[in-house]
Amino acid sequence: AQSVTQPDIHITVSEGASLELRCNYSYGATPYLFWYVQSPGQGLQLLLKYFSGDTLVQGIKGFEAEFKRSQSSFNLRKPSVHWSDAAEYFCAVMFSGGYNKLIFGAGTRLAVHP
Amino acid sequence: GAGVSQTPSNKVTEKGKYVELRCDPISGHTALYWYRQSLGQGPEFLIYFQGTGAADDSGLPNDRFFAVRPEGSVSTLKIQRTERGDSAVYLCASSPRGGALNTEAFFGQGTRLTVV
Repeated sequence: AQSVTQPDIHITVSEGASLELRCNYSYGATPYLFWYVQSPGQGLQLLLKYFSGDTLVQGIKGFEAEFKRSQSSFNLRKPSVHWSDAAEYFCAVMFSGGYNKLIFGAGTRLAVHP
Repeated sequence: GAGVSQTPSNKVTEKGKYVELRCDPISGHTALYWYRQSLGQGPEFLIYFQGTGAADDSGLPNDRFFAVRPEGSVSTLKIQRTERGDSAVYLCASSPRGGALNTEAFFGQGTRLTVV
């Protein structure tokens, strides 16, 4: 079955430190890949997406993600975390032929220490 | 409106009651999605509308759940004989067109449903 795994439920980093959030998917072909952020009281906001082409994707708020086909991964990174980045982050995939829906991981909650 | 609007923002109901959750998509968006997010989980797909028709309802958990979009704009998610396990945040999203690779789905802030 198609699935998305975010291995880290909760991550804590210091402000200014680098960040990497992991995402792995299970599917026989390349899906379309997304990262969303959900802040308290806010709706889900798209950070970035990968459909094809360059495997390093730039998004909003200084985030980037790299698609690695050999590892079935799409990890999210940020070189220097700000306190305002504290939120829940969701990796999501859309499989070819399933253009109509996203399959989300369980999320990673990010805490940022001053 | 400026974004996807969901009402009410919070709903508390008694077990066995009927509830309706409303979604106003972004004007002009033909695709509309409902998702359910349980505590500590990512959103789970429920149903997808393209225009007025439900193009994919494979995520609806059982026949107590039903959704409509009669005029291709506002959608209502209806839950009959609510159970405590239905407690979750129900999210609505819309996009300019479904199925296209370069379109983004915009999410509302959700309706938090609590069944007591």
